[in-house]
Amino acid sequence: GAGVSQSPSNKVTEKGKDVELRCDPISGHTALYWYRQSLGQGLEFLIYFQGNSAPDKSGLPSDRFSAERTGGSVSTLTIQRTQQEDSAVYLCASSRDRGLFEQYFGPGTRLTVT
Amino acid sequence: RKEVEQDPGPFNVPEGATVAFNCTYSNSASQSFFWYRQDCRKEPKLLMSVYSSGNEDGRFTAQLNRASQYISLLIRDSKLSDSATYLCVVNGDSGGYQKVTFGIGTKLQVIP
Repeated sequence: GAGVSQSPSNKVTEKGKDVELRCDPISGHTALYWYRQSLGQGLEFLIYFQGNSAPDKSGLPSDRFSAERTGGSVSTLTIQRTQQEDSAVYLCASSRDRGLFEQYFGPGTRLTVT
Repeated sequence: RKEVEQDPGPFNVPEGATVAFNCTYSNSASQSFFWYRQDCRKEPKLLMSVYSSGNEDGRFTAQLNRASQYISLLIRDSKLSDSATYLCVVNGDSGGYQKVTFGIGTKLQVIP
């Protein structure tokens, strides 16, 4: 079946602009995660959605970052007033449930802030 | 102490060699464990789950040692195509909620 999809695959933006990144999880997966990965670095957890529960936002690096998940499916990660240090690959993953089940990742969005 | 620790490597091994990676975790309430593989500039992909009794998938063997709080991945007869970064993932209860933690990854380079 279809995997996790993300768009755009690449995004170049000027410092100070806002960007929106989209994630379509696997159908039926209730858990959705956003991660960030800088070149040569490990995964940095950003935010997690589980069903209708309040999201776990503990990983968001600043209040310029926000995310929402509409109808328990598609999610959008928004970065306001982008900075050069926001340049990274943003990965989305989904799973059947949080905690016990494996995650499936999308191909990521490569964000470059100039 | 980090919640999940891995030696970042790189591990440079010749083709055909056997190589093993360990991953230690600090939360004794951890419940499920996985190994992921990440190729350069690609997303992580699930390699295998790690079961309490240990499990094998072809040339790959995963083990869990709850007493010492580590998981391991053994790769036999290494192939050039095994070159990648191997991430361990630990899921478990933390302060009453489920938490997923990725290790930083161990880089493997298989040399001809």
